[in-house]
Amino acid sequence: EAGVTQFPSHSVIEKGQTVTLRCDPISGHDNLYWYRRVMGKEIKFLLHFVKESKQDESGMPNNRFLAERTGGTYSTLKVQPAELEDSGVYFCASRGGCRNTEAFFGQGTRLTVV
Amino acid sequence: KNEVEQSPQNLTAQEGEFITINCSYSVGISALHWLQQHPGGGIVSLFMLSSGKKKHGRLIATINIQEKHSSLHITASHPRDSAVYICAVGSFNSGGSNYKLTFGKGTLLTVNP
Repeated sequence: EAGVTQFPSHSVIEKGQTVTLRCDPISGHDNLYWYRRVMGKEIKFLLHFVKESKQDESGMPNNRFLAERTGGTYSTLKVQPAELEDSGVYFCASRGGCRNTEAFFGQGTRLTVV
Repeated sequence: KNEVEQSPQNLTAQEGEFITINCSYSVGISALHWLQQHPGGGIVSLFMLSSGKKKHGRLIATINIQEKHSSLHITASHPRDSAVYICAVGSFNSGGSNYKLTFGKGTLLTVNP
């Protein structure tokens, strides 16, 4: 069974550009999470999807970040326009049924904004 | 103060040594996760536990719910164990509809040959 996959693995963009990150969760997992790790800091929660609905987006930094999960399968996280402080590693995780606590993580996307 | 505190932040050991990484948390939890991240790699789940002790190969994880403390032990450490080890606590909201992880800052372990 394929795990959680993320694309791209690395992205270097200039300030002001747009970047879209993609996460493919484990098939059948309703719960999908986005996290971000900024250098030197702990991993922080961004948002949580249950199927195609945003269950909790309290961790989204600002309105330059837009997450979607059309059809409840893969998810995208768009940053537009990117700023220097958006640099970090963006992780996606998926989880199965509602009371299942086991989470599976992707490899992460390392975003560098220059 | 972070809800999840790990110690030490950095740890250097010689091959073969016994390693202990500690995690303390201040919130109610449903489960505690130990995660591993190799340099440039993704996050791998090592353990998920809500009580007692679990063992997998040379890795042992323990949790004391009353003291809100967990430890990750590595026996007979090896250079390939060099990685960042992250403690994360998971809890459901009151309605049980949202399970959220809160992470520690991680412990960078370097095992020298």
